[in-house]
Order: sequence, then C-alpha cells, then structure tokens
Amino acid sequence: GIQVEQSPPDLILQEGANSTLRCNFSDSVNNLQWFHQNPWGQLINLFYIPSGTKQNGRLSATTVATERYSLLYISSSQTTDSGVYFCAVISSGSARQLTFGSGTQLTVLP
Amino acid sequence: DSGVTQTPKHLITATGQRVTLRCSPRSGDLSVYWYQQSLDQGLQFLIQYYNGEERAKGNILERFSAQQFPDLHSELNLSSLELGDSALYFCASSVISSGPEQYFGPGTRLTVT
Repeated sequence: GIQVEQSPPDLILQEGANSTLRCNFSDSVNNLQWFHQNPWGQLINLFYIPSGTKQNGRLSATTVATERYSLLYISSSQTTDSGVYFCAVISSGSARQLTFGSGTQLTVLP
Repeated sequence: DSGVTQTPKHLITATGQRVTLRCSPRSGDLSVYWYQQSLDQGLQFLIQYYNGEERAKGNILERFSAQQFPDLHSELNLSSLELGDSALYFCASSVISSGPEQYFGPGTRLTVT
C-alpha cells in the first residue's frame, strides 16, 4: 500500500516563530488532507489539498503531486498551535480510506 | 465542530466484554469510515460503509463488526475485548464513497482494564 512519511517527527518552537512540516508519499493520490490533533485528541481538518496551494490565516499548504510531497507552513506560531499534525492520503485507484503518516509533534513555547 | 457526532466520549470496560460505539455522519454525507488510533499502531483504517453497504475493509479484527443503518448512522461493535483494544476510535464521514474530504468526529476513548 501507499507509504506516508512526515518530517520532522518533533518540533519545538518559540511563540512567534515560523515552521514548515513536510509530508512525502510513495504513490499518486487523489486526496490529501492535513489535520491538527489537539491535546484533547480531536482531529481538526486544516486543508483538503490534493494539489496546488491554499491559505487559511496563518496556515498555508502546498502539494506538488507530480513530486509526491506536501508542505504545511505555520507562521507566527502560537501556543494553541501545539499538538500533532497529521498528513493523510487516499491513493489513486480503488482505495477509499485515508492512510495517515506518523505525525509531527509540535510544541510552541510561550 | 465537524458535524460528525460520536457517543460515548469515554468508555471504560473490562476484558472479555462487548461494547458498541455510535456515530452520526454530517447531514447529507452517505459514507462513514471507522479509524482506530492506538499508541503503537498510529491511526489505522478499520472499515467503510456507503449508504448502508460495506465498501472497504482495513485491518479490522474478526472480533469487531460494524453496520450502517437506514438513517445513515453507524455502529461499531467490539467484542471479547482485550487490553490491546484500548484506543481512540474515530468515525469520519464524506459525501461520496471515495471522498473527497473526510470529516472526523471527536472520537470515543476506549479503555479496557
């Protein structure tokens, strides 16, 4: 099946810093989503982005489908950005389920 | 709030018991997915239903089963529970069978003692 790798596994930032999270996938996809799992365990949809670039406030994401990677940018980070960020994909073809990466644990210090 | 609801939020039970987790999809969504998040396995797909019919199966144990009812809510039944079944169980929904975007419920945290 498709493999999803996220980097870095852990990231510690001071409030106000910027960061880039990366997601590499091993096959072509027709769905790619970024999620934020908050400390209470909830999975929050950030972006649906199988290709192209999207922005939502301080967050933006870019997927280069031909090169099989996606990037999540967080600018001017806040302590509430802390948590785990997951990338998940559905491979092209008959697959219907999301395959998740192992996540990036982000800690933003005040 | 994603619009997907799950009950109960927390469940504590003993080994060997059986539990039922419930999920109501977003209004208008026909497809329901179940995922399990455990410490050692990460987030894994269990099973998908679309408009009442099973569409895809992942790493779901034989002790686990699911169904989707005519009103589109879904239930995940876990039986002969073992300590290793302790996990966060998520339900997600989408409009059509193959996506595009899946919305996740708040999860049910199952603890087996």
